[in-house]
Amino acid sequence: GAGVSQTPSNKVTEKGKYVELRCDPISGHTALYWYRQSLGQGPEFLIYFQGTGAADDSGLPNDRFFAVRPEGSVSTLKIQRTERGDSAVYLCASSLTLDSSGANVLTFGAGSRLTVL
Amino acid sequence: ELKVEQNPLFLSMQEGKNYTIYCNYSTTSDRLYWYRQDPGKSLESLFVLLSNGAVKQEGRLMASLDTKARLSTLHITAAVHDLSATYFCAPRMDSNYQLIWGAGTKLIIKP
Repeated sequence: GAGVSQTPSNKVTEKGKYVELRCDPISGHTALYWYRQSLGQGPEFLIYFQGTGAADDSGLPNDRFFAVRPEGSVSTLKIQRTERGDSAVYLCASSLTLDSSGANVLTFGAGSRLTVL
Repeated sequence: ELKVEQNPLFLSMQEGKNYTIYCNYSTTSDRLYWYRQDPGKSLESLFVLLSNGAVKQEGRLMASLDTKARLSTLHITAAVHDLSATYFCAPRMDSNYQLIWGAGTKLIIKP
């Protein structure tokens, strides 16, 4: 697609529920990133994929968070047993690749705003 | 651990004035990104600074990078209201190529 698409744009759920957030990156971008942004703060890294594999998941806060990218394109961020502290905007970004050369500019989606009541 | 500090975190200024936003980071990084975020919107890439001494300009914004001082600046010339936004810097870690983000500088430009 022309840009990074994220769905849903807004999700309100109850504490303890399961949530899935979807990201459709720019066609041809092999690198995909998930970030979390709370009000008044910068993006917080969660996980990064190169192709189908999670190259770095060190930012996932705990084992309730999981992400997949089975075919190297669309990715889903999954949150189990949601807590009120999970409320934030979840941003997805993609880039052509991630290596030592080139600009590797990240293009961000509009985000999914998650509210846990 | 790479830490990024932006200064100031909040800036209110009049149209027509000049100002500089500073971005300091704590460990080695070979490149740095500047992004803009409007309220309720996503992040938009402004500049990628790829080497020590790099300077890039777009309209009233100019960004520079000093990797030895671990400092980047974003200079605003003759500010206009449309530049009101939050500006983030993000140096890239040498070790794993991940970006580490500052807290952002919220810029309000009054007509």
